[in-house]
Amino acid sequence: QMQLVQSGSEVKKPGTSVKVSCKASGFTFSSSAVQWVRQARGQRLDWIGWIVVGSGYTEYAQKVQERLTIRRDMSTSTAYMELSSLSSEDTAMYYCAAGPFNGGVRAFDIWGQGTMVTVSS
Amino acid sequence: DIVMTQSPDSLAVSLGERATINCKSSQSVLLSSNNKNYLAWYQQKPGQPPELLIYWASTRESGVPDRFSGSGSGTDFTLTISSLQAEDVAVYYCQQYYRTPLTFGGGTKVEIK
Repeated sequence: QMQLVQSGSEVKKPGTSVKVSCKASGFTFSSSAVQWVRQARGQRLDWIGWIVVGSGYTEYAQKVQERLTIRRDMSTSTAYMELSSLSSEDTAMYYCAAGPFNGGVRAFDIWGQGTMVTVSS
Repeated sequence: DIVMTQSPDSLAVSLGERATINCKSSQSVLLSSNNKNYLAWYQQKPGQPPELLIYWASTRESGVPDRFSGSGSGTDFTLTISSLQAEDVAVYYCQQYYRTPLTFGGGTKVEIK
């Protein structure tokens, strides 16, 4: 079946970086776009960036633009999100979500299970 | 950025009754060249990732019960649950995918009265 499986939870110290993986299976990864969304406890969904898998084109939310890198590895059907210079404000559940991309995205119908990132000294 | 505003923040509805959630965008998300509204609705149950319910503002995702329907165009959209079931208790979010950043509404929590 179509699924995204994310890497496990992380505990990081302030000022360090975290890298989260998102492995796709059951659908054509190269014809999709993958967004990354985070959610602090009890808060709304917060879009932080996306990648158009086929072209590798990325866009980031302004608030994290200087610290966020999203990549993909077509050979393993995996997307990655790396966030640097972490602070307590980055503590959240991070989700990847994929949707078909054909000149534009059609919304995101496949979601990963989430990866909890905790930033604490 | 396109700001998405949902209302109400929460609502309590009796089992079998109708639930209506509104979502308003600060700019139109209708692309005139294809007449599609770039608006999706997601359901998030506690401890779970969101699930896609509706895309193109009114197209139900495969497997979604037909008690869920979406309507609206341009800047004003509605998600309707025609007959609320116990398993529909969740937070519902709208998201525009017309322009980056792909913004979400603040969410509407649906509970049983």
